[in-house]
Amino acid sequence: RKEVEQDPGPFNVPEGATVAFNCTYSNSASQSFFWYRQDCRKEPKLLMSVYSSGNEDGRFTAQLNRASQYISLLIRDSKLSDSATYLCVVRDSNYQLIWGAGTKLIIKP
Amino acid sequence: SAVISQKPSRDICQRGTSLTIQCQVDSQVTMMFWYRQQPGQSLTLIATANQGSEATYESGFVIDKFPISRPNLTFSTLTVSNMSPEDSSIYLCSVVTLTTGNYGYTFGSGTRLTVV
Repeated sequence: RKEVEQDPGPFNVPEGATVAFNCTYSNSASQSFFWYRQDCRKEPKLLMSVYSSGNEDGRFTAQLNRASQYISLLIRDSKLSDSATYLCVVRDSNYQLIWGAGTKLIIKP
Repeated sequence: SAVISQKPSRDICQRGTSLTIQCQVDSQVTMMFWYRQQPGQSLTLIATANQGSEATYESGFVIDKFPISRPNLTFSTLTVSNMSPEDSSIYLCSVVTLTTGNYGYTFGSGTRLTVV
């Protein structure tokens, strides 16, 4: 079993739709949780940290359920510019990041 | 957050040769990491670069193949030694500064390596 598992994708959705990404992690001692975005041929960039209370940044909402070891990302009113690969990332107690395989999102006009 | 300069951005190398990748940060950072990202895959941690001592390597990666230096808090190098086509990949450095309540990880722009 992988340490961080994500939906395999790709997701092809029309512009304006709502998209949900799911992620599970295996290490209950994981410390911090993130969603990163990676555009083609670019380095990953932090999209959001994820907190147990849930957090929102504009059209993006992230949720964490520690009991279920489950992380989600919701994108509302999707834009063409949201097309990218979304990576679920977990930080362990050694400050190392454990990466999911990523889910590719393709927004269609 | 820290700004990273990673060089070279890309290279095409002959098999059997070695390439050294540099990562320069504009501020002192607590930790530096080296990753590999093969085509269509996610990031795999190669090692944690330790200042003034040997790097800590992940399973499947060894110092002879991927020697790493970190002489100070702002600079690190990764060498890919005795390259083969299987080493063709993107190599990324990442840094984090462990300030209270903020663990922002920043990435270099990557080195796209092709071994022929």
